[in-house]
Amino acid sequence: ETGVTQTPRHLVMGMTNKKSLKCEQHLGHNAMYWYKQSAKKPLELMFVYNFKEQTENNSVPSRFSPECPNSSHLFLHLHTLQPEDSALYLCASRGGGGDTQYFGPGTRLTVL
Amino acid sequence: AQSVTQLGSHVSVSEGALVLLRCNYSSSVPPYLFWYVQYPNQGLQLLLKYTSAATLVKGINGFEAEFKKSETSFHLTKPSAHMSDAAEYFCAVSLYNNNDMRFGAGTRLTVKP
Repeated sequence: ETGVTQTPRHLVMGMTNKKSLKCEQHLGHNAMYWYKQSAKKPLELMFVYNFKEQTENNSVPSRFSPECPNSSHLFLHLHTLQPEDSALYLCASRGGGGDTQYFGPGTRLTVL
Repeated sequence: AQSVTQLGSHVSVSEGALVLLRCNYSSSVPPYLFWYVQYPNQGLQLLLKYTSAATLVKGINGFEAEFKKSETSFHLTKPSAHMSDAAEYFCAVSLYNNNDMRFGAGTRLTVKP
């Protein structure tokens, strides 16, 4: 059982749909991250939350909207996406004072 | 800002041969360095990390890496490749505040029978 879970594992959506990705960590960590992994490109950091507060937004388009209701849960709300947004979206968490990020299995998103 | 460069997007070795995946880093202060592995349709799994203790770091699955400050390198090695080692490997660097972890572009390792 991985410490970081993500649902759904696969998602296909049209450009006009609204959907949400969910991440949950069972490690007692207080920092959570969203990354985008596209083919042939380095991992891109999207958002960082520390103690439920957003501390970093890496110039992500507003069609991606994160939400962190508590230290264990992180959401990524999606609306009016573009085909180029198709990618693997990874969630990670890190403990306070820790040096390692732990990753979930990812959500494979396809935008038609 | 810190960064890493992985030399070779694709490495192919025969089963039982030495695995060498190269990573060079750039950082203005002593870095933390990591190797992660990603199997198909999965997230990233930590293989090993260097956080300013011993320069030779041993990780899971028989992998190890050596921090060489003079060469700004952190290459990943395994003496004998196994078929199950076929995966994508990522080198990453961060400073003490781990929020800003930078990843390399990845190296795909293929193991031939």
